[in-house]
Amino acid sequence: AQTVTQSQPEMSVQEAETVTLSCTYDTSESDYYLFWYKQPPSRQMILVIRQEAYKQQNATENRFSVNFQKAAKSFSLKISDSQLGDAAMYFCAYRSAINYGQNFVFGPGTRLSVLP
Amino acid sequence: GAVVSQHPSRVICKSGTSVKIECRSLDFQATTMFWYRQFPKQSLMLMATSNEGSKATYEQGVEKDKFLINHASLTLSTLTVTSAHPEDSSFYICSARDYYEQYFGPGTRLTVT
Repeated sequence: AQTVTQSQPEMSVQEAETVTLSCTYDTSESDYYLFWYKQPPSRQMILVIRQEAYKQQNATENRFSVNFQKAAKSFSLKISDSQLGDAAMYFCAYRSAINYGQNFVFGPGTRLSVLP
Repeated sequence: GAVVSQHPSRVICKSGTSVKIECRSLDFQATTMFWYRQFPKQSLMLMATSNEGSKATYEQGVEKDKFLINHASLTLSTLTVTSAHPEDSSFYICSARDYYEQYFGPGTRLTVT
């Protein structure tokens, strides 16, 4: 079974600075998707970024980028120019691209605080 | 992007009563819907997976007689918490998947008094 680990329960960053959230995963599959979701105080899950495992290029979405290291099974999220609105819980998630019906496997989450 | 709605957003019920939560995919047909439960400061825990017209598949440890799931159409799934007790108080999130993407509803906070 797949597992997702986020070793940083809490992180803080100064406004306008850069922060990196860590995520590692374990799988025997070769084809899969990795995600970062943001859950602000409203509790709505918001997709931040997605990476397909077969793509070597790291995904980027504006101020958000990932460092995907497939061999190391590492998938970190970098937030540049942090804003107060980035404060939230961040969940790393895995989903099989082979077993279509399989649900997400979520990590335990990292709570990010942004300091003004 | 696609929208998933949940109703109600908050519900308070008395112990022993039942409460129904609706999940709708508003602008797409969901082949699969998922129901999650989230305790404070914790991650999402999958409760069950449902496909339209089929019986839901429950995760280990989830009481299927207590948490009734009906996936009546490609746009509607319901979760009924039967004979609710205070320990059922939690945040319930549904998620709907079309062929490629999966979208989350805004969640329902259930409080059982």
